[in-house]
Amino acid sequence: KAGVTQTPRYLIKTRGQQVTLSCSPISGHRSVSWYQQTPGQGLQFLFEYFSETQRNKGNFPGRFSGRQFSNSRSEMNVSTLELGDSALYLCASSFDGPNQPQHFGDGTRLSIL
Amino acid sequence: SQKIEQNSEALNIQEGKTATLTCNYTNYSPAYLQWYRQDPGRGPVFLLLIRENEKEKRKERLKVTFDTTLKQSLFHITASQPADSATYLCAPSNDMRFGAGTRLTVKP
Repeated sequence: KAGVTQTPRYLIKTRGQQVTLSCSPISGHRSVSWYQQTPGQGLQFLFEYFSETQRNKGNFPGRFSGRQFSNSRSEMNVSTLELGDSALYLCASSFDGPNQPQHFGDGTRLSIL
Repeated sequence: SQKIEQNSEALNIQEGKTATLTCNYTNYSPAYLQWYRQDPGRGPVFLLLIRENEKEKRKERLKVTFDTTLKQSLFHITASQPADSATYLCAPSNDMRFGAGTRLTVKP
């Protein structure tokens, strides 16, 4: 079956703009988690959605938000972009949650100029 | 505060040898621990999950141990190959946190 799909793969934005990233999980998976990965901080958890509800949240400012649709597809939004938001944003899905193996997409590389 | 430490940022070994990677955690008690492999420009790929009541788990050339007393997991790759070169991440997870990873290079 198809893996986790993230779009777009690459994105360039300028400071102050906002951005929306998309994630299509593996069919049947109800949990979608988002992570930010940078060379300095590693892989950091943003939030997890399950059945359209945010179930867990990491330690990121309110500029980072997300949502999940009834078909389990998820989007994350970052408003008022800062240079430090440049990172690889990864989405992972699983059937029930992070206590199961996570299936990651290949991410969206976001660069802020 | 809760911390996850992977033994070293980089590990270089010769082909055919056993690679051993370490994951230590402090100030919490995860019910399970996962190991992932990440290649440059790609998302992490799940390798193994071990639960707190399991001491050891194997999959082909991979072996993971989980010592809840030492708060440590060891990840072994036996008969290593250049294709095993990648970054390996541990996630002693109750809260979806990952270690910084160990970059393994297997030289022919």
